[in-house]
Amino acid sequence: NAGVMQNPRHLVRRRGQEARLRCSPVKGHSHVYWYRQLPEEGLKFMVYLQKENIIDESGMPKERFSAEFPKEGPSILRIQQVVRGDSAAYFCASSYSGTLRSTEAFFGQGTRLTVV
Amino acid sequence: QKEVEQNSGPLSVPEGAIASLNCTYSDRVSQSFFWYRQYSGKSPELIMSIYSNGDKEDGRFTAQLNKASQYVSLLIRDSQPSDSATYLCAVIKIQGAQKLVFGQGTRLTINP
Repeated sequence: NAGVMQNPRHLVRRRGQEARLRCSPVKGHSHVYWYRQLPEEGLKFMVYLQKENIIDESGMPKERFSAEFPKEGPSILRIQQVVRGDSAAYFCASSYSGTLRSTEAFFGQGTRLTVV
Repeated sequence: QKEVEQNSGPLSVPEGAIASLNCTYSDRVSQSFFWYRQYSGKSPELIMSIYSNGDKEDGRFTAQLNKASQYVSLLIRDSQPSDSATYLCAVIKIQGAQKLVFGQGTRLTINP
């Protein structure tokens, strides 16, 4: 019974390159949330997706960042033209329903992005 | 004003003592509150949820909620070195789609 799977666990990119972070939710979960965590800080909400739909992207930077959750396959967080300030841990969480009071959100192990 | 605020610590507590972690939130309509534990380099894991005013106990952990004061706390009794971690307070934000909003976390160290 696999939990939320994120890959890669560690990603190093040079400034200006693209970073692609993948998240496979718990089997049967159709709600995915992406969070960013800077060192010594809490998790900052980025985007909430259901299959083929972006539900809430209020935490996404307006430029260079995009996310998708296709009908088949993992959710992808894409960061174009990365800068050093993008270095952080990116966590994905999934839930069975969007009513978070009645269903737990499970977190993946995260992808640690380092921009050099 | 931050939506969820915690003392960032670090908080240092001797082994066997009670560790007390505090959190305040700004949205008066919030109804659901969570405490997550995060070990260094690991993902957050849910340890407690609380929805009603008062206390909720689970083993050595007690969550306390006071909606009038917009305050939620976590008590850890008989603290163990394995409790050393960062504790994150989270609230469900219900404007628009539901999502978890986290505080900045409190780093707790239990000293043997």
